[in-house]
Parts: sequence; C-alpha cells; structure tokens
Amino acid sequence: GQQLNQSPQSMFIQEGEDVSMNCTSSSIFNTWLWYKQDPGEGPVLLIALYKAGELTSNGRLTAQFGITRKDSFLNISASIPSDVGIYFCAGLNTDKLIFGTGTRLQVFP
Amino acid sequence: DVKVTQSSRYLVKRTGEKVFLECVQDMDHENMFWYRQDPGLGLRLIYFSYDVKMKEKGDIPEGYSVSREKKERFSLILESASTNQTSMYLCASKITGVNTEAFFGQGTRLTVV
Repeated sequence: GQQLNQSPQSMFIQEGEDVSMNCTSSSIFNTWLWYKQDPGEGPVLLIALYKAGELTSNGRLTAQFGITRKDSFLNISASIPSDVGIYFCAGLNTDKLIFGTGTRLQVFP
Repeated sequence: DVKVTQSSRYLVKRTGEKVFLECVQDMDHENMFWYRQDPGLGLRLIYFSYDVKMKEKGDIPEGYSVSREKKERFSLILESASTNQTSMYLCASKITGVNTEAFFGQGTRLTVV
C-alpha cells in the first residue's frame, strides 16, 4: 500500500534545539495532517493544513503545506523533553488517509 | 471535543479465538478506519468504512473482517486469531470529504499467544 516518505527516520537532539522534519509524496494531496504519538497511545492531531503554501503554527510547532501539494514540513522550536515521541504526517486526497513512516524524536536534557 | 473510544487498551487472546475490537465515535463522522501499527512498518490500513454498512478493504485485510451497523460504531473482527496478528490496533474517524481532520482512539494492544 501507499505510504508517504517521511524523513528523518529518527532524531536525537539536545533540549532547546530546533527540529525539522518533512514528508514527500509522488501524489498530490488536498490536506496534510501532522500527528504526535506518545508510547502506548494513539496519535494526537497537532496541525491541519488545507491550502498549498499555507503556513500554520500551534505554539512552538509550525507546519507548511508545500506549493506543489506533494510535500509538507513540520518544525519544532526550542525543543523540550515532552516533545519526545513519534511524529507522523498524513495526506488526504480522497476519503482515505495515507500516512508517513514516522519520525522518532528523542530529546536529551 | 471529538472522542474516539476503543473498547480495550490491552487484550490477550489465544490462537484460533475469534476476537472483536470495538470503536465508538461521538461526532457523527461518516468515515471510520482501522489501522495496525508495527515497529518499522508505520500505520497500515486494514479496513475503511465510508458510512453505515459500507466498507472497503485497505492494504492488509487478510485475516480480518469489519462490521458497521451503526454510524458511531466500527468493529474489527479477527476471524481466527494468529500470533502474527499481535500488534497495536488503532481506530480513527473523520467527516467525509478531503478538507477534514481525522481523530484517533487510544489504541488496543493485542497479544495473541
């Protein structure tokens, strides 16, 4: 089945650093969603993007819907220990959600 | 707040048992999904339901079936559980359309012994 290419696969950073991750696809999407998953829990929606070029923030998180509609980016500024988890992108172009492979983030004090 | 609730957080079943995983959402969403999540493989779609009594196979439907008799409830059925179905199962729902958000339940970790 189709999955989006998400990179990096994992990141090990120090508290206070900024983080960037991205998601690319060969298909066009109408909506990009970014989720965070804590260990043993379901993914929680962080940011939703609906228009090409759109830049949306949620606290220290900023996400962008790529102009080509084939990619999206998530940035986390000034990371803190509770940012630890797995981040997933998801694209929608029909009623089906297509997920990225995930970025595992570790934050060291 | 949207609430998607999965009936069990943890489940242990024996090989060959018929297993029911239940998911209920309270926002009148048309679309509901079942995924399984395994280390290194991401989220893989098992089944998808557009609306009541409507279902579509996802990427890995073998060994599973689903039931959607009421709009708020989407059940995943393991006809005869096997050890390779040990996994984290995630249910999600959203309203129909492409400019929408999807919400997940808390997950069910199923172990088949």
